[in-house]
Amino acid sequence: AQSVTQPDIHITVSEGASLELRCNYSYGATPYLFWYVQSPGQGLQLLLKYFSGDTLVQGIKGFEAEFKRSQSSFNLRKPSVHWSDAAEYFCAAHPYNFNKFYFGSGTKLNVKP
Amino acid sequence: GAGVSQTPSNKVTEKGKYVELRCDPISGHTALYWYRQSLGQGPEFLIYFQGTGAADDSGLPNDRFFAVRPEGSVSTLKIQRTERGDSAVYLCASSWDKNTEAFFGQGTRLTVV
Repeated sequence: AQSVTQPDIHITVSEGASLELRCNYSYGATPYLFWYVQSPGQGLQLLLKYFSGDTLVQGIKGFEAEFKRSQSSFNLRKPSVHWSDAAEYFCAAHPYNFNKFYFGSGTKLNVKP
Repeated sequence: GAGVSQTPSNKVTEKGKYVELRCDPISGHTALYWYRQSLGQGPEFLIYFQGTGAADDSGLPNDRFFAVRPEGSVSTLKIQRTERGDSAVYLCASSWDKNTEAFFGQGTRLTVV
């Protein structure tokens, strides 16, 4: 069955520290991959996307993600976290020509001053 | 408008009542999705429209849920005989087609009391 796994439910990092949020997917072929961010009471904002080509993709707000086919992973990274990055982050996969996106259960990021 | 618009932003209704949730997608987007997000979980797929037709309604939990998109733009999610378990945030998203990134609205928080 298709699935997206985000193994970390909560992560706390200090402001200025680096960040990596994990995401693994389970599909027969490489799906399109996305990271979304959700602030409290808000909808989902697209951070970045991977369709094909360069496996390191850049997004908004200084985020990047790396697709690793061998590990079925699409981890999100940021070199230096800001207090405003505190939010919940969702990884999503969309197998080609499917009618839906599959979302992970989310990782809630706390940022310590 | 510039983004996906959902109304109302909040809806409180009594158990057993009928509710309608509206989604106004980004102009020109032919694909439209409805998702439901319960507290502490990732979004779960409900239904996908391509143009005016519901191409995939496999995520609708039961026959109390129905959605329409009569002119291929605005969509309405309709819930009959609401139950307390229907309480959640209902998210709408649109995209150029199903193989491109989706943009989400702010959601409608439905509370059934």
